[in-house]
Amino acid sequence: EVQLVESGGVLVQPGGSLRLSCAASGFSLSTYNMNWVRQAPGKGLEWVSYINTDSTTVYYADSVKGRFTISRDNAKNSLYLQMNSLRDEDTAVYYCARAYSGGWLIGYWGQGTLVTVSS
Amino acid sequence: EIVLTQSPGTLSLSPGERATLSCRASQSVSSNYLAWYQQRPGQAPRLLIYGASSRATDIAGRFSGSGSGTDFTLTISRLEPEDFAVYYCHQYASSPLTFGGGTKVEIK
Repeated sequence: EVQLVESGGVLVQPGGSLRLSCAASGFSLSTYNMNWVRQAPGKGLEWVSYINTDSTTVYYADSVKGRFTISRDNAKNSLYLQMNSLRDEDTAVYYCARAYSGGWLIGYWGQGTLVTVSS
Repeated sequence: EIVLTQSPGTLSLSPGERATLSCRASQSVSSNYLAWYQQRPGQAPRLLIYGASSRATDIAGRFSGSGSGTDFTLTISRLEPEDFAVYYCHQYASSPLTFGGGTKVEIK
């Protein structure tokens, strides 16, 4: 069974930094492209970042470009999101999401971790 | 960036009725790389449809997708109690990946 478990979400002050982690199990992370998607309280889904299987291709939403960095450690079956210069508008539940098969289609989601940016 | 516009914002229906949800793209979605997700309160999204019309694994037959280019539709043939939720369309044809604003299907 595919399982994705996010961690690292906390209350942080504006301008602060945070690193989210996603532990994958039930499959080999090295085989799948991965994403981070976020959802602000009471709002819709917003794609944040993408990384391919061998980390050679990464993409970011304009709203986080230059502040967030996606990475992965296939040996540890883990995905990460380094978040710097956090803003109030980054407050959201952050989901780790796995490709369905190949390509960019998101097929599986974790339960999310809440990041709150507030003074 | 491909902007996805979903309508209506809210759909009020009774169990057993048919639901028709619309998703319109600001430009053609290549290869019909359009997906639909269901999100129940407090839960993560779940993939229902991909490639505009293919059902994902273990998705009930009452869910169907159609459309191409810029106009796509999700149909739920007969609403079950567990189908009352928010539905999002999503294009995965090009970066940035984008989602529609969602349609809430609520009990009338």
